[in-house]
Amino acid sequence: EADIYQTPRYLVIGTGKKITLECSQTMGHDKMYWYQQDPGMELHLIHYSYGVNSTEKGDLSSESTVSRIRTEHFPLTLESARPSHTSQYLCASSPLPLGGNTEAFFGQGTRLTVV
Amino acid sequence: QKEVEQDPGPLSVPEGAIVSLNCTYSNSAFQYFMWYRQYSRKGPELLMYTYSSGNKEDGRFTAQVDKSSKYISLFIRDSQPSDSATYLCAMSATGGGNKLTFGTGTQLKVEL
Repeated sequence: EADIYQTPRYLVIGTGKKITLECSQTMGHDKMYWYQQDPGMELHLIHYSYGVNSTEKGDLSSESTVSRIRTEHFPLTLESARPSHTSQYLCASSPLPLGGNTEAFFGQGTRLTVV
Repeated sequence: QKEVEQDPGPLSVPEGAIVSLNCTYSNSAFQYFMWYRQYSRKGPELLMYTYSSGNKEDGRFTAQVDKSSKYISLFIRDSQPSDSATYLCAMSATGGGNKLTFGTGTQLKVEL
């Protein structure tokens, strides 16, 4: 089983609050990703990182930010949560860049609800 | 238009049935094709991977790619209740650009 962990699993929070979604992996993977998944919709890449101090925006524009200070840790932050941020957030990692035959290992996700 | 189209289902079948799940795509640059399985309240996990056209078999699962039709399939033989999950197709182009393009997923329920 892949060793990639996300906390919290579920979060209900009020509008305007700052939140950080945690993601950690113990596989030593350089590449890490954040996807957003809404019911009936495809996964959309919102952030990725090639390694420490590397962060890039994905295909789907997001008001969230990420940081990569340590290889194993890739937190996602929302400075001021809004109801439009309600979604499931999935963290993933891979040993090589995605594309080709590289497998992405996913965490269990954080289901965020902003009220 | 989405690059990858997948019927969201839900698809309900009796135990032991043969299940066919499909995706169509529009980007002819896609060369790598994957199927991920996602159980409820879990993250996706890689089930099958295929490069270019052809078939690949792994136990009860067979993945097929028809690049000429831009159509991929996942067949599940002798389906079991434990196969109940959402199945997502994903694909990428040579060079990848660090990008996997996912379908919306098909929700499958195998009933006793």
